Amino acid sequence: KNEVEQSPQNLTAQEGEFITINCSYSVGISALHWLQQHPGGGIVSLFMLSSGKKKHGRLIATINIQEKHSSLHITASHPRDSAVYICAVRFGETSGSRLTFGEGTQLTVNP
Amino acid sequence: GAVVSQHPSRVICKSGTSVKIECRSLDFQATTMFWYRQFPKQSLMLMATSNEGSKATYEQGVEKDKFLINHASLTLSTLTVTSAHPEDSSFYICSARDGSGGYGYTFGSGTRLTVV
Repeated sequence: KNEVEQSPQNLTAQEGEFITINCSYSVGISALHWLQQHPGGGIVSLFMLSSGKKKHGRLIATINIQEKHSSLHITASHPRDSAVYICAVRFGETSGSRLTFGEGTQLTVNP
Repeated sequence: GAVVSQHPSRVICKSGTSVKIECRSLDFQATTMFWYRQFPKQSLMLMATSNEGSKATYEQGVEKDKFLINHASLTLSTLTVTSAHPEDSSFYICSARDGSGGYGYTFGSGTRLTVV
């Protein structure tokens, strides 16, 4: 049983739409990461959260520690946002602590 | 920001040969390197965790004699797929953590391995 659940699995939007991707996890965590994987496979780390909210350009990430839930929002979506978005959590504090990944959300933004 | 350079990006090899994949951390010391495998439409699967100067810790079900990991320095880790078979064809990607104690993870660009 995967300890990190993402929804939706697939999401298609029209350019300009507001996008929300959700992530929930089963137990307490040290940090939550949102990653972006492009069709070529490369992965970019978008956010690392342990509480509250972070914003970078059109991307906003929030986390609710009590509810064990995080959301990634994309405002004014654009076709170049099309990618797989992955939620990953870290349960431990040490440098060797691994990430546990969600299944990913395939986002397609149509022009 | 921190960069992990991974090479090669694509490799095609014959069955029975070995392939080496390199990950180098640029501008930071990678105390810990994680090696992942990813099948199409699936999430990342952790294969092993390596710490500089010590033996890698392999996940259950991953053959340590087949997937040799070396982390000889704080800036270089390698994964060698030995005696490759078509079922080893996959996308391999590394991720490093900054040894200064930050909690960020930096990913390599990945290697698409095709064994024919």
